[in-house]
Amino acid sequence: DTAVSQTPKYLVTQMGNDKSIKCEQNLGHDTMYWYKQDSKKFLKIMFSYNNKELIINETVPNRFSPKSPDKAHLNLHINSLELGDSAVYFCASSLRQGGETQYFGPGTRLLVL
Amino acid sequence: AQSVAQPEDQVNVAEGNPLTVKCTYSVSGNPYLFWYVQYPNRGLQFLLKYITGDNLVKGSYGFEAEFNKSQTSFHLKKPSALVSDSALYFCAVRDGDNFNKFYFGSGTKLNVKP
Repeated sequence: DTAVSQTPKYLVTQMGNDKSIKCEQNLGHDTMYWYKQDSKKFLKIMFSYNNKELIINETVPNRFSPKSPDKAHLNLHINSLELGDSAVYFCASSLRQGGETQYFGPGTRLLVL
Repeated sequence: AQSVAQPEDQVNVAEGNPLTVKCTYSVSGNPYLFWYVQYPNRGLQFLLKYITGDNLVKGSYGFEAEFNKSQTSFHLKKPSALVSDSALYFCAVRDGDNFNKFYFGSGTKLNVKP
């Protein structure tokens, strides 16, 4: 039973393409997150949703658009991919917002050529 | 500004010896502090957290962490390291102004040699 799952695990694509990453959690959590981990392993929050409502939107380019169709899913769509978007993207969830333990997905390794 | 610092990129320790992975933080208000571990090609896993109460927090896999308010530190410790503890360790703090935001340190690679 995977608690937080992401698809795909690996994504290799050309510059300028549009791609989506999907995330699902079966923990019944209210809050979900997207993080970006760069090549130096530095982890930075991008977005957070609570019950389908956007609560965190960091200084992320407009090319990145999250969508939460329901509280168990948080997808990330990226338009016009750039070389600098190459990273590992982690989805996470927590029971509720604020101060809660986060459960991370396995990550999606994105390589933009 | 809220931040977390992990001053060591790498910590090397022999199996059976005690280990310490350092973390200092800067946050407004009362800190909520976390340690996570990341194994190769995996997502982060929760180890332990400090919210309030006893300064010594016990977590998964025999790890513990000591909260020190005066030194604004939250060092991760284990009395006896295992080779299987080798991984990347992240300290994190909740933003004191925006409770929905978390800041992660840059990670410390722990190498436990047999």
